[in-house]
Amino acid sequence: QKEVEQNSGPLSVPEGAIASLNCTYSDRGSQSFFWYRQYSGKSPELIMFIYSNGDKEDGRFTAQLNKASQYVSLLIRDSQPSDSATYLCAVLTGGYQKVTFGTGTKLQVIP
Amino acid sequence: GAGVSQSPSNKVTEKGKDVELRCDPISGHTALYWYRQSLGQGLEFLIYFQGNSAPDKSGLPSDRFSAERTGGSVSTLTIQRTQQEDSAVYLCASSLGLAGGQYTGELFFGEGSRLTVL
Repeated sequence: QKEVEQNSGPLSVPEGAIASLNCTYSDRGSQSFFWYRQYSGKSPELIMFIYSNGDKEDGRFTAQLNKASQYVSLLIRDSQPSDSATYLCAVLTGGYQKVTFGTGTKLQVIP
Repeated sequence: GAGVSQSPSNKVTEKGKDVELRCDPISGHTALYWYRQSLGQGLEFLIYFQGNSAPDKSGLPSDRFSAERTGGSVSTLTIQRTQQEDSAVYLCASSLGLAGGQYTGELFFGEGSRLTVL
């Protein structure tokens, strides 16, 4: 079982819709959870982090964490074509305190 | 600048040659990661340095790959006897690491070094 799993996509949504990106992780000792966005040919950039169960909102982005289910998600409201990118879920695992990435979900927002 | 700096940005080499890739992290960041990303693929973890602890080398694909971090700052990734399958973008990222008694996981990435092995 991979430590961090994501559906590779592509996930296609129409402009203005809500995009929902999901991630599961295997280490119950994981403490912190991150979403990075990577445009084609660019380096990843951090867009959201969440440490506690529940929701965290930042503009059009909402991160959701459920530690009991070992599940973290990212919702993008009012999706724009500029949101088209690969979204990487990352987890700060217990033990060695290392950040582990999922393989990423490619999002396509159709105008 | 204040960001993570990597050099060279592009490197073309012949099969069998050795290459060195350099990463200069953000000042004060104690954690440093190297990743490899082949075209259209995800991030492949290579190695992780945290302060003065022994590095986590579990992601290095073969003994042709090695990395050092001198003085807790600059890191060099060395690939010996390069092969065509080593062609990829090599990304370095740094993080505050242990801060205020807790580990932080926000990574800041450099622009990457694109390696092409002919």
